[in-house]
Amino acid sequence: AQKITQTQPGMFVQEKEAVTLDCTYDTSDPSYGLFWYKQPSSGEMIFLIYQGSYDQQNATEGRYSLNFQKARKSANLVISASQLGDSAMYFCAMTSSGGYNKLIFGAGTRLAVHP
Amino acid sequence: NAGVTQTPKFQVLKTGQSMTLQCAQDMNHNSMYWYRQDPGMGLRLIYYSASEGTTDKGEVPNGYNVSRLNKREFSLRLESAAPSQTSVYFCASSERSSNQPQHFGDGTRLSIL
Repeated sequence: AQKITQTQPGMFVQEKEAVTLDCTYDTSDPSYGLFWYKQPSSGEMIFLIYQGSYDQQNATEGRYSLNFQKARKSANLVISASQLGDSAMYFCAMTSSGGYNKLIFGAGTRLAVHP
Repeated sequence: NAGVTQTPKFQVLKTGQSMTLQCAQDMNHNSMYWYRQDPGMGLRLIYYSASEGTTDKGEVPNGYNVSRLNKREFSLRLESAAPSQTSVYFCASSERSSNQPQHFGDGTRLSIL
């Protein structure tokens, strides 16, 4: 069965430092997509970054990068130069088998950025 | 630029009451989804609609029904609400391709007493 695991329930980081949020996944599908979403305390889900299973290079979007290690089945999110506004829940998600862009989510990591 | 709009934002029901959550998107997306989010857990898929006129079950469909009214609108109905359905409900939409992100509404916080 497909599964997403986020082993860090909570993380904290000092402002302006980098932080890595872990995500491992399990799938037997050869083709899949990996997504990261941010959920601030206001509750909305904000798309951050996408990595396809066949992409050769790690995805980057501004201060966000995805450290994709296919053999280890990991897709860690790296946030550089953390800002106070980065404090939020972060969810890793993967497209599930059967297509139609359905997503399976991990349990999330709560990130606190300290001044 | 509304994106995905959910109504209502908050609702309190009594056990056994029925309720329909509304969702509309203005991005001309083919696919729409309903998720629920419980404390300490990620989102779980209830139902999805790959295209207008089709719906299918997700991971946790029991106790729910859906209607894809047209390309824009996808509603979720609780026929007889139970306390276990207390949750935050999110509607999302996307292009059908698996490399396209889902765009989420702001959620409906539903409490069932």
